[in-house]
Amino acid sequence: EAQVTQNPRYLITVTGKKLTVTCSQNMNHEYMSWYRQDPGLGLRQIYYSMNVEVTDKGDVPEGYKVSRKEKRNFPLILESPSPNQTSLYFCASSLSGDRNYGYTFGSGTRLTVV
Amino acid sequence: GNSVTQMEGPVTLSEEAFLTINCTYTATEYPSLFWYVQYPGEGLQLLLKATKADDKGSNKGFEATYRKETTSFHLEKGSVQVSDSAVYFCALRGGKLIFGQGTTLQVKP
Repeated sequence: EAQVTQNPRYLITVTGKKLTVTCSQNMNHEYMSWYRQDPGLGLRQIYYSMNVEVTDKGDVPEGYKVSRKEKRNFPLILESPSPNQTSLYFCASSLSGDRNYGYTFGSGTRLTVV
Repeated sequence: GNSVTQMEGPVTLSEEAFLTINCTYTATEYPSLFWYVQYPGEGLQLLLKATKADDKGSNKGFEATYRKETTSFHLEKGSVQVSDSAVYFCALRGGKLIFGQGTTLQVKP
């Protein structure tokens, strides 16, 4: 089944403790992206990647890192999480950066930073 | 820059009622347009899309027509069901995907 898999689904952590949210897709998509969803603010892009070893900042990149060493994986790293990073996170992938292609989304990771 | 504006919700309808969710956009280039649906506790699913003016996207009884002259992409369904209760997002893609704020639809039996 074609899908984007995120782990974990739920995570509660403490301020400053480094964490990684994994994302993997099995569709051989070139383009991958991370979004966060917050009430009243909608979905905002954190980082994106056009292909292996090519990443760039989205609208809200502060406090996050990403890497794209393999085509299928695009982990999101919070090196020193803070409470304002409490949010619902979605990983998404697309066949390419071409505007005609929609995204396939993962099921989400609900992160709470206390 | 690019932006998407959706009608505010929540929208509450009775089963079998007609649904319209308004969506307008602003874009500096020629975008593709999408509707996504998010059911409670789940990720976003692509509902339909249109990639050029006058295209009509359709899926599961939902339709939307790409209107370049009015910069709109309104979502419609002739007869909603309780199972259609969800949050609906209009989105455009020039480079990245940009979403509207989402409209919550609640359908009552």
